[in-house]
Amino acid sequence: DARVTQTPRHKVTEMGQEVTMRCQPILGHNTVFWYRQTMMQGLELLAYFRNRAPLDDSGMPKDRFSAEMPDATLATLKIQPSEPRDSAVYFCASGLPAGTGGNEQFFGPGTRLTVL
Amino acid sequence: SQQGEEDPQALSIQEGENATMNCSYKTSINNLQWYRQNSGRGLVHLILIRSNEREKHSGRLRVTLDTSKKSSSLLITASRAADTASYFCATAAGGGNKLTFGTGTQLKVEL
Repeated sequence: DARVTQTPRHKVTEMGQEVTMRCQPILGHNTVFWYRQTMMQGLELLAYFRNRAPLDDSGMPKDRFSAEMPDATLATLKIQPSEPRDSAVYFCASGLPAGTGGNEQFFGPGTRLTVL
Repeated sequence: SQQGEEDPQALSIQEGENATMNCSYKTSINNLQWYRQNSGRGLVHLILIRSNEREKHSGRLRVTLDTSKKSSSLLITASRAADTASYFCATAAGGGNKLTFGTGTQLKVEL
């Protein structure tokens, strides 16, 4: 049963600390997305990779956030330094290229981040 | 602002009734998708309708698309308590994989 996995599922940290969230996309999916979900802002796209290359990270605060794909099986999202306003649920999603039948996205369970 | 805006924001119905949710969007699209999110979980893809399609069915789901009005509706027939969730529409435009999600409709199905 192929699925996107994310670690950790929950993270509580103090303001100023570095936070790293990890995602393993579904094997064979070459597009990876990072989203942030809050009650106030809803679901926001932070970054988007295709074949490990970043295509769009315009939704990400560049001064403190960074997203990478060290290899095809791992995507990371880092926040340094973290701030209370970063508290949210962070989702990773993966998918196949558009034109292969559809561009449905498959979501992981999310990382619930609380910054105190 | 969000490309997709769902209406209503919240909907409460009795089990067995039909639930209808609407989505409006602003720009031309390649396809429109509906996702479900159970509390505390990730989103799950339900159905995709292409811009040249007008209606699509999947089990108890029926989706319509009116590109002239830039709107879509999701109908869930014979609802069940397990259908309680938030439902999001998402639009795809251009040649890439990027989706723009709406604000969601919270559906509650009561026994």
